[in-house]
Amino acid sequence: NAGVTQTPKFQVLKTGQSMTLQCAQDMNHEYMSWYRQDPGMGLRLIHYSVGAGITDQGEVPNGYNVSRSTTEDFPLRLLSAAPSQTSVYFCASRGRGSNQPQHFGDGTRLSIL
Amino acid sequence: AQTVTQSQPEMSVQEAETVTLSCTYDTSENNYYLFWYKQPPSRQMILVIRQEAYKQQNATENRFSVNFQKAAKSFSLKISDSQLGDTAMYFCAFMKHRPGDRDDKIIFGKGTRLHILP
Repeated sequence: NAGVTQTPKFQVLKTGQSMTLQCAQDMNHEYMSWYRQDPGMGLRLIHYSVGAGITDQGEVPNGYNVSRSTTEDFPLRLLSAAPSQTSVYFCASRGRGSNQPQHFGDGTRLSIL
Repeated sequence: AQTVTQSQPEMSVQEAETVTLSCTYDTSENNYYLFWYKQPPSRQMILVIRQEAYKQQNATENRFSVNFQKAAKSFSLKISDSQLGDTAMYFCAFMKHRPGDRDDKIIFGKGTRLHILP
């Protein structure tokens, strides 16, 4: 009963380094999303996917790439980390149909020095 | 574009009291869902309650209930008999509902930090 699994839970990077945050779900959900949470800003949508092979930009996509080669996995890539990307990142998934609840991972706290 | 506004950044109440958290939203959609999520210090995101816009009856889940005013675009959360474990950040969220439309993102407010005092 894993649900949505995010790895790592914590990470410290130097400016300019690259990093992939992993997200996997075992519920066969079509929809997957990445959010970032910053103090006083709530959760802001970075990228989302409505199925394997389909991704789209959210509210704050700059500096991040995603891909969805399988239904289960939705990795988030930082190609050249910047201090402004210091945040807590959440991955979420839900099944087809608007009445399906959204399941969240436990989050990744990322610090860019 | 849809927006969600939570006007109370932080609140404190005594244990066992009733507290109401405010949320307003802006949308031109007629069909949508509204949510309240709780985020305790553990950082988990927990769905507290959900309301379908086409339902006039306010949703309730044990000590949690909402006051949904569609015309006013208001969706407040009432916590009755508050408990220490209710201390958390609470987020109001919106999702439009168009059958067959795959672009149904969930939009979050900035949150209200609630402290339940012993």
